[in-house]
Amino acid sequence: AQSVTQLDSQVPVFEEAPVELRCNYSSSVSVYLFWYVQYPNQGLQLLLKYLSGSTLVESINGFEAEFNKSQTSFHLRKPSVHISDTAEYFCAVTLTGFQKLVFGTGTRLLVSP
Amino acid sequence: NAGVTQTPKFQVLKTGQSMTLQCAQDMNHEYMSWYRQDPGMGLRLIHYSVGAGITDQGEVPNGYNVSRSTTEDFPLRLLSAAPSQTSVYFCASQRDREPGELFFGEGSRLTVL
Repeated sequence: AQSVTQLDSQVPVFEEAPVELRCNYSSSVSVYLFWYVQYPNQGLQLLLKYLSGSTLVESINGFEAEFNKSQTSFHLRKPSVHISDTAEYFCAVTLTGFQKLVFGTGTRLLVSP
Repeated sequence: NAGVTQTPKFQVLKTGQSMTLQCAQDMNHEYMSWYRQDPGMGLRLIHYSVGAGITDQGEVPNGYNVSRSTTEDFPLRLLSAAPSQTSVYFCASQRDREPGELFFGEGSRLTVL
């Protein structure tokens, strides 16, 4: 069965600094990969996804993630964070696309002035 | 367009009581699911449904029942609440041709005393 590891439970960073949130997955077959974001007291929202094709995927608010098959990673990056990026970020993986969506334990991004 | 609506947002129960968490979506999505979110454990799948009349168990189904009589509604029933069921519960729906792209409700915070 597939699994997802997010080693960093919390990442503090100053505004306008770059950030990387790490995600590693384990699966012996091809997978779909996702990053979800959860703002305080809200449900999760899809941030970006990798299904196939280009290994670098981008979101509309400046985040990007790169699928690395050899390292089984899907790290999330942003070159310059804003206060409004403070949230919890979840990496997720699925084989079938629905009922086997497995989430990591989440990384809380704390952006301070 | 309301999306995914969950009620109630907050609930306190005593051990042994029963209750139903309601979930409704107005996007005509075939797939619906229930997750629970606990600190340090990410989201875990409780039950899911691929269409009206069809349900299946996820990772942590014990103590919960579901039914899917209509496309729109997917209630989650706690038959005899236990303190271990204290959690935040999220309902999600998905278009059938969009792997892994879940639309989440705002969550229901349940406390069992």
